[in-house]
Amino acid sequence: QVQVVESGGGLVKPGGSLRLSCAASGFTFSDYYMSWIRQAPGKGLEWVSYISGSGSTIYYADSVKGRFTISRDNAKNSLYLQMNSLRVEDTAVYYCARPRAGVFDTWGQGTMVTVSS
Amino acid sequence: EIVMTQSPATLSVSPGERTTLSCRASQSVSSNLAWYQQKPGQAPRLLIYGASTRATGVPARFSGSGSVTEFTLTISSLQSEDFAVYYCQQFHNWPRTFGQGTKVEIK
Repeated sequence: QVQVVESGGGLVKPGGSLRLSCAASGFTFSDYYMSWIRQAPGKGLEWVSYISGSGSTIYYADSVKGRFTISRDNAKNSLYLQMNSLRVEDTAVYYCARPRAGVFDTWGQGTMVTVSS
Repeated sequence: EIVMTQSPATLSVSPGERTTLSCRASQSVSSNLAWYQQKPGQAPRLLIYGASTRATGVPARFSGSGSVTEFTLTISSLQSEDFAVYYCQQFHNWPRTFGQGTKVEIK
């Protein structure tokens, strides 16, 4: 079945870096845009970044632009989010999600990122 | 950025009752509106897209309506498994934005 599974979360100090991964299965990964969405503890959902199937088109939320980098490896059916210069306010569950026609129809279980000294 | 505003923040409802959740966009999103359900400790689940089309497997008791800037999600007869947080999301413009959520709790 269609599935995405995130990994790579953890505890990091402010200013540090972390790389999240998302393994996709059950669909032709290269045919789909992919996205990262986050949710701070007890808060709502915030879209973070978006990448086209070929990787040629990328969008970022203003809150992460210049600090986060989205990428993908279609040969490995994998999506990544390189997070640099992390801030306390980046603390959240990070979800990998598959967009279809603008809506997110497949979500992973999420991976927790905690930025704290 | 399009701001999505949901109301109310919390709804207290008895099982079997009908309930309506509202979502307002700060500018027109046409019908490019989706609704998601999120239960504690789980990822969001797509319920409605295109303002009124149910996603695969979503029970018929869920219905969406509206266009332009005003949208509603109606649950015709609340079941125990429907107590959750509901989010609206616009996909008309970048960045994609979500409402802050409406929590439907047991009365």
